[in-house]
Amino acid sequence: AQKVTQAQTEISVVEKEDVTLDCVYETRDTTYYLFWYKQPPSGELVFLIRRNSFDEQNEISGRYSWNFQKSTSSFNFTITASQVVDSAVYFCALSEGTNAGKSTFGDGTTLTVKP
Amino acid sequence: GAGVSQSPSNKVTEKGKDVELRCDPISGHTALYWYRQSLGQGLEFLIYFQGNSAPDKSGLPSDRFSAERTGGSVSTLTIQRTQQEDSAVYLCASSLVAGGGSDTQYFGPGTRLTVL
Repeated sequence: AQKVTQAQTEISVVEKEDVTLDCVYETRDTTYYLFWYKQPPSGELVFLIRRNSFDEQNEISGRYSWNFQKSTSSFNFTITASQVVDSAVYFCALSEGTNAGKSTFGDGTTLTVKP
Repeated sequence: GAGVSQSPSNKVTEKGKDVELRCDPISGHTALYWYRQSLGQGLEFLIYFQGNSAPDKSGLPSDRFSAERTGGSVSTLTIQRTQQEDSAVYLCASSLVAGGGSDTQYFGPGTRLTVL
């Protein structure tokens, strides 16, 4: 069975601080996909990134970066120089190659960035 | 439209009544998903449609929940004899092709259901 754990329920930082959101996953499949989504106060989930299990390269997109480590089954998300607009709930999700339609989401991490 | 749309945006109903929630996916997307998000919780998978294949209903919490997708496009989630524990935000998502789990899902704004 697949499982996603986001141990940090809430994080509060001051603007310009760096912050890392943790995601640990469990799966028996060798082919799987990991996602991060952002849910701002407006409520609509926004896709941020997708990684497949065969690509462990870290990725950087502007102030966002992702660290995928199969050895620790983790897919952590770092925001550098956080801004107030980064305040949102962030979800990590997992889809297995053998169960295409059934994504498992973590419970989310609420990030508050204070000015 | 450009994105996934859902209606109504808010629904308040009395315990025991039936409700229907609608999802209009992005044009051309063959896969459609329903999730439930309870207050402060993550997303709970409910059901998934892919093209003309039989839907994956494994996430539906009880037989009071059902969903259909007509003509491969619009989907309706029906909850019969609503209970207070059904109160949640119901999210719909669509994706271009559910290719082995790799597809990016695009989410609608959700329907907030309140059962009194």
